[in-house]
Amino acid sequence: EPEVTQTPSHQVTQMGQEVILRCVPISNHLYFYWYRQILGQKVEFLVSFYNNEISEKSEIFDDQFSVERPDGSNFTLKIRSTKLEDSAMYFCASSAGSLIDEQFFGPGTRLTVL
Amino acid sequence: QKEVEQNSGPLSVPEGAIASLNCTYSDRGSQSFFWYRQYSGKSPELIMSIYSNGDKEDGRFTAQLNKASQYVSLLIRDSQPSDSATYLCAGKSGGSYIPTFGRGTSLIVHP
Repeated sequence: EPEVTQTPSHQVTQMGQEVILRCVPISNHLYFYWYRQILGQKVEFLVSFYNNEISEKSEIFDDQFSVERPDGSNFTLKIRSTKLEDSAMYFCASSAGSLIDEQFFGPGTRLTVL
Repeated sequence: QKEVEQNSGPLSVPEGAIASLNCTYSDRGSQSFFWYRQYSGKSPELIMSIYSNGDKEDGRFTAQLNKASQYVSLLIRDSQPSDSATYLCAGKSGGSYIPTFGRGTSLIVHP
């Protein structure tokens, strides 16, 4: 069964450093998403991406964040200058494309900012 | 502000019982709803989606939607210890691809 994959599973970085989180969405899906979940809190939407551009973004997704689809399979989230409060699980998800479509989540990357 | 509310629990049920998980939402424009299961330290795993009023069954799971009352529920029949997890309710409004998640209800199924 096709699935969303993410790398790395765990990333430790120093405050102020840049990190890139990688995702490979399900191959025939058209919409891609990043979410984060701070420990013990709810899943929060960051950004959605369709047709090589951002379709929606939340208030969390400020200028420190960017997304890219550098090739036909990868989808990346870059955090330019990490802060302590960026420590969280980051989930990538994808959906086939219609408004009612279900989103399927990857296993997540645990980001720890020291 | 779109809100999806869930009782954080924990909801504790004995093995073999029916677990009933509930969710309310504030946005009357919400059209599609999803239940995810999340084990500790893992990602949300889709269990079911529901779009129409009434019940939708899939194996041991039944999702129920009442748009007039802005209420969604998930019933788990013959609960197993392996069902112990946090269950996330999410709702999507028409015109948006983005679901709003509730905080989740922790379910404990004890032998």
